[in-house]
Amino acid sequence: IVLTQSPATLSLSPGERATLSCRASQTITNYLAWYQQKPGQAPRLLMYDASYRATGIPARFRGSGSGTDFTLTISSLEPEDFAVYYCQQRYSWPLTFGGGTKVEIK
Amino acid sequence: EVQLVESGGGLVEPGGSLRLSCVASGFTFSNYDISWVRQAPGKGLDWVSAITGRGDITFYSDSVKGRFTISRDNAKNTLYLQMNSLRAEDTAVYYCAKHWERSSDYWGQGTLVTVSS
Repeated sequence: IVLTQSPATLSLSPGERATLSCRASQTITNYLAWYQQKPGQAPRLLMYDASYRATGIPARFRGSGSGTDFTLTISSLEPEDFAVYYCQQRYSWPLTFGGGTKVEIK
Repeated sequence: EVQLVESGGGLVEPGGSLRLSCVASGFTFSNYDISWVRQAPGKGLDWVSAITGRGDITFYSDSVKGRFTISRDNAKNTLYLQMNSLRAEDTAVYYCAKHWERSSDYWGQGTLVTVSS
């Protein structure tokens, strides 16, 4: 299953809303996870099953979607949110990641 | 506190072998599936392999099937990745990641594998 993330780069200012897309090449029901990765760090789990926030993830992060189209929304960007975001499908083997979306400071 | 600590990375020539280890603590290791995920320099995440908690079922990406072998020793809380016939394109930071629900909730800090002559 191929996951396509868009856009590749999102240039926004703190306080703005970020909308990240992840599209699957076939249905994955809601078996999608989102991760955040900062330079030099391991990925951090944000969302699982498309819309459930992982432990300790702030409410400004919201995941939605099912089937083939998914969205991660950050309602108001904080300075610590500028990072790369990856989606991963957990529907079938082999597990696959999207290519990532970099959220950078405008 | 959950911890995953990888080791075993280094510089190896093309065609060579390397074995990575991931030592886990802070949870009941045998209850959880674990994956290896890699990241080439400046690139995205690439899932490599996974193994069930009991170690009885394994999964591989097409790019490593037949060359890499995942295994675990639940008595030692340790996950392994035996990598043979290494290629330049296997150069990456290798992470182990604990499965939880349908996600990976804890990751190690990674170990760098460089394949070069």
